[in-house]
Amino acid sequence: GDSVTQMEGPVTLSEEACLTINCTYTATGYPSLFWYVQYPGEGLQLLLKATKADDKGSNKGFEATYRKETTSFHLEKGSVQVSDSAVYFCALINAGNNRKLIWGLGTSLAVNP
Amino acid sequence: DVKVTQSSRYLVKRTGEKVFLECVQDMDHENMFWYRQDPGLGLRLIYFSYDVKMKEKGDIPEGYSVSREKKERFSLILESASTNQTSMYLCASLSTGEKLFFGSGTQLSVL
Repeated sequence: GDSVTQMEGPVTLSEEACLTINCTYTATGYPSLFWYVQYPGEGLQLLLKATKADDKGSNKGFEATYRKETTSFHLEKGSVQVSDSAVYFCALINAGNNRKLIWGLGTSLAVNP
Repeated sequence: DVKVTQSSRYLVKRTGEKVFLECVQDMDHENMFWYRQDPGLGLRLIYFSYDVKMKEKGDIPEGYSVSREKKERFSLILESASTNQTSMYLCASLSTGEKLFFGSGTQLSVL
């Protein structure tokens, strides 16, 4: 079945460092791909998405490119801030899957001043 | 603005009690979901519903049931709460644009 694998955390960075959180997937067909973020004490919220190969999703300085050849959707940011400290989840949705999202386990990011 | 509201932020219950977790969305979404979130295990799908009175089991339905009598409301029921059901419970609804909207979560402790 479909699955999502993302790098384990926690990831600890200093402010203004570069961030990459790896995400790879296994899926039949052409899934849509997502990154969700969960700030401390809150529910998850959509950070960015991409619906087809070579699409780039971007939001709040974060970017991720849908790479079908490597089945990847890595999350990147050039300069992180303390306020980016959160848990990041990679996910996919496949039309043939009754619109259920398939989730990675989440990667915790802590950014120190 | 879009809203998914979970009735309680924190709940403390005793083993064996019947527990109701309520979730309401104001976006007329058809698909709604209940997840539990535990450290190291990510989000695990308990049940989902794709229409009123329609439901499907997720990955970990044992010990839970759900009710969807109205489109806006999706309730999770713990028939007889046990300590291993202590967890953060997250409700979500899915837009036609494939965007999931989450509630703030209910931290349930079963003693």
